[in-house]
Amino acid sequence: RKEVEQDPGPFNVPEGATVAFNCTYSNSASQSFFWYRQDCRKEPKLLMSVYSSGNEDGRFTAQLNRASQYISLLIRDSKLSDSATYLCVVDTGNQFYFGTGTSLTVIP
Amino acid sequence: EAGVVQSPRYKIIEKKQPVAFWCNPISGHNTLYWYLQNLGQGPELLIRYENEEAVDDSQLPKDRFSAERLKGVDSTLKIQPAELGDSAVYLCASSRGGTDTQYFGPGTRLTVL
Repeated sequence: RKEVEQDPGPFNVPEGATVAFNCTYSNSASQSFFWYRQDCRKEPKLLMSVYSSGNEDGRFTAQLNRASQYISLLIRDSKLSDSATYLCVVDTGNQFYFGTGTSLTVIP
Repeated sequence: EAGVVQSPRYKIIEKKQPVAFWCNPISGHNTLYWYLQNLGQGPELLIRYENEEAVDDSQLPKDRFSAERLKGVDSTLKIQPAELGDSAVYLCASSRGGTDTQYFGPGTRLTVL
């Protein structure tokens, strides 16, 4: 079983839509969680950390559910510039594990 | 502040040839990572350094891959000999350590013919 699993998508949504991605992890002792964004043929960049109480950064909201071992990312009012691959990252304390990424395309 | 620097950006070689990638992390970042990323996949850790010490190299195929970070700053990843299946993007990242944010370099796209 993979350490981190994500739905690869693709998600194709119209501008202004709300879209949510989920990610599950297998190690219950995992300590830290992140969402990274990767544009085509570019390097991954940190989008936001995920805190136990949930956190928001503008149009982006991240949630953590330790009991069910999943994290989520919600994007409201999607913009064309949100088109990218979103990578879920889990730190088990020993190593960072990246999901395969979820592809998002926002359509005009 | 300068980001993580990697070179070369692209490399095309024939199978069985050696190849080396170079990474210079962000100044002051003690932790350095080498990742491999295949198309449609997330980055997979090859090796992690804390200063000059390799603290996690369990995923590094040691029969053909080697890495060094002699002075605890820049690092080199080598493949010898390269195989067709090594074609991928090799990403270097650095951080201050622990769960601190990892900053990635632009990567080296390797094609083995």
